[in-house]
Amino acid sequence: GQQVKQSSPSLTVQEGGISILNCDYENDMFDYFAWYKKYPDNSPTLLISVRSNVDKREDGRLTVFLNKSGKHFSLHITASQPEDTAVYLCAAANYGNEKITFGAGTKLTIKP
Amino acid sequence: DAGVTQTPRHEVAEKGQTIILKCEPVSGHNDLFWYRQTKIQGLELLSYFRSKSLMEDGGAFKDRFKAEMLNSSFSTLKIQPTEPKDSAVYLCASSFGTGGREQYFGPGTRLTVL
Repeated sequence: GQQVKQSSPSLTVQEGGISILNCDYENDMFDYFAWYKKYPDNSPTLLISVRSNVDKREDGRLTVFLNKSGKHFSLHITASQPEDTAVYLCAAANYGNEKITFGAGTKLTIKP
Repeated sequence: DAGVTQTPRHEVAEKGQTIILKCEPVSGHNDLFWYRQTKIQGLELLSYFRSKSLMEDGGAFKDRFKAEMLNSSFSTLKIQPTEPKDSAVYLCASSFGTGGREQYFGPGTRLTVL
């Protein structure tokens, strides 16, 4: 079964709004959580990552929230812009294992 | 520094053919991954090498998919025989490993099996 799940295949947000992307995971041994961004016909690139010893990490307009008890993490993008339109993949891994498990992706569309 | 390179970028094969995809990881990276990307399944791991040793061979992909890492700077993915359902984008990625988990992806090979 899928160990990392993104339940929303797509999301549309008005320009200037907050985009919230969600990810659920099953393996409670995961201690590394990340979000990758993928433009059409391009490969994924790392946006932001967190370790399990924090429950929040901010980087500019991006914030990752980690809820370990709920096995859930999310990416918030404030002041969403048209260039944020892309597919966002969540990913997780457990300590000592460099293999990353990816979610299926959420297609985010920012409407002008 | 060169990123991950993959060749060919596009491949068209007839059903039953053998195709070989190639990947060169970022110099100095210890881990190499092969993924299949589809709209339905997203990124599916096919193989994972650490320092040229095969760590994972992708379970369900074992029978017709074989990845090899001949040296630290070159890997191949062989699909034999190809089937139409293999049509997808195949991505290669590499990372430093040992705590450096960011994966750097190549541009991918788009495979079409007729």
